[in-house]
Amino acid sequence: DTAVSQTPKYLVTQMGNDKSIKCEQNLGHDTMYWYKQDSKKFLKIMFSYNNKELIINETVPNRFSPKSPDKAHLNLHINSLELGDSAVYFCASSQDGTEGYTFGSGTRLTVV
Amino acid sequence: SQQGEEDPQALSIQEGENATMNCSYKTSINNLQWYRQNSGRGLVHLILIRSNEREKHSGRLRVTLDTSKKSSSLLITASRAADTASYFCATVNNAGNMLTFGGGTRLMVKP
Repeated sequence: DTAVSQTPKYLVTQMGNDKSIKCEQNLGHDTMYWYKQDSKKFLKIMFSYNNKELIINETVPNRFSPKSPDKAHLNLHINSLELGDSAVYFCASSQDGTEGYTFGSGTRLTVV
Repeated sequence: SQQGEEDPQALSIQEGENATMNCSYKTSINNLQWYRQNSGRGLVHLILIRSNEREKHSGRLRVTLDTSKKSSSLLITASRAADTASYFCATVNNAGNMLTFGGGTRLMVKP
């Protein structure tokens, strides 16, 4: 019973392609997030959604478009992929943003 | 942007020894949290300390928080090889809507 599950786990694609990463949580949390972890292991928040509504967009390029069809799902679509998009993307959820976050196992995106 | 820095960036100790990691942050906070990340895996929440608390314990973990110095420390006592991982501190802002991470400490515990 994975609490936060994201797919796929690995994604290798060519520059210029469009790809999506899916995330689902079964914890009943109201808030979901996308984080990006770069090659130096720095974690940076990208987006935050509360009950399907966008709360935070941390100056992420327009090529990244999150979509939350319901509060249990937060998908990330990336257009026109660039080499610099290569990273590990983590989905997370939290009940109200102040308690501990539960993270998915990550999607390693490699753009070639 | 990163909230702050962690010190040291890497730490290597023998099994049974204690490990201490430090974290500094820049802005006022609602709470501070510590996470563990095993290689190639997601982050696991370890412990949360609120801005009005000074010390907290959970099993072999002890966390301190000094809001006047904007710093925190994580102590792992009697370390085990299984504790080998990266440890991240993260802060929740006063609005309670963002968790911002530090750079992490890579801990290696040698058997």
